[in-house]
Amino acid sequence: RKEVEQDPGPFNVPEGATVAFNCTYSNSASQSFFWYRQDCRKEPKLLMSVYSSGNEDGRFTAQLNRASQYISLLIRDSKLSDSATYLCAVKPLGTGRRALTFGSGTRLQVQP
Amino acid sequence: GAVVSQHPSWVICKSGTSVKIECRSLDFQATTMFWYRQFPKQSLMLMATSNEGSKATYEQGVEKDKFLINHASLTLSTLTVTSAHPEDSSFYICSAGELAGGTDTQYFGPGTRLTVL
Repeated sequence: RKEVEQDPGPFNVPEGATVAFNCTYSNSASQSFFWYRQDCRKEPKLLMSVYSSGNEDGRFTAQLNRASQYISLLIRDSKLSDSATYLCAVKPLGTGRRALTFGSGTRLQVQP
Repeated sequence: GAVVSQHPSWVICKSGTSVKIECRSLDFQATTMFWYRQFPKQSLMLMATSNEGSKATYEQGVEKDKFLINHASLTLSTLTVTSAHPEDSSFYICSAGELAGGTDTQYFGPGTRLTVL
């Protein structure tokens, strides 16, 4: 089983729609969680960190469910510019390593 | 956010040659940098952790003699792909971690697209 798993999609949604992605992780010791956005042939850019209490940034809401070991990203009022691949990333606690483990990404295509 | 640069942004080389990729943290010091590789339609895979002033830590399956990493200063890490072959063609991305406000956030360089003919 992969450490971090995502549905590859693509998710094709119309402008204005609400779309949600989930990401599951296998290491229960995972401590930090992030959502990155990656455009085609570009580097990942940090979209938001995911906090235990959940957090919101404009149209984006991230949540963490430790019991079920998944994080989610909700995008409201989708824009054409939201079309990208969304990568979740996790970092374990206390190993001394600060490297992230990434999921394979979920592709979102927002259509006019 | 913090800025990480990478050079070159793309390179095409002949099989058997060596290619050096530079990763710089521009506005912060990074004792640790990470090198990832991404093949088309796949996720980023960690290759190695680069520590300033010490040897890099390589992930399982990554040949340390083929992918030479040097982290000589707090703002520069280099990855040299030695004797490159077509199967080494990939998108190489570095990242640097910044500890601020108790949060460890990684910022990525823009990546280097390597094509080996």
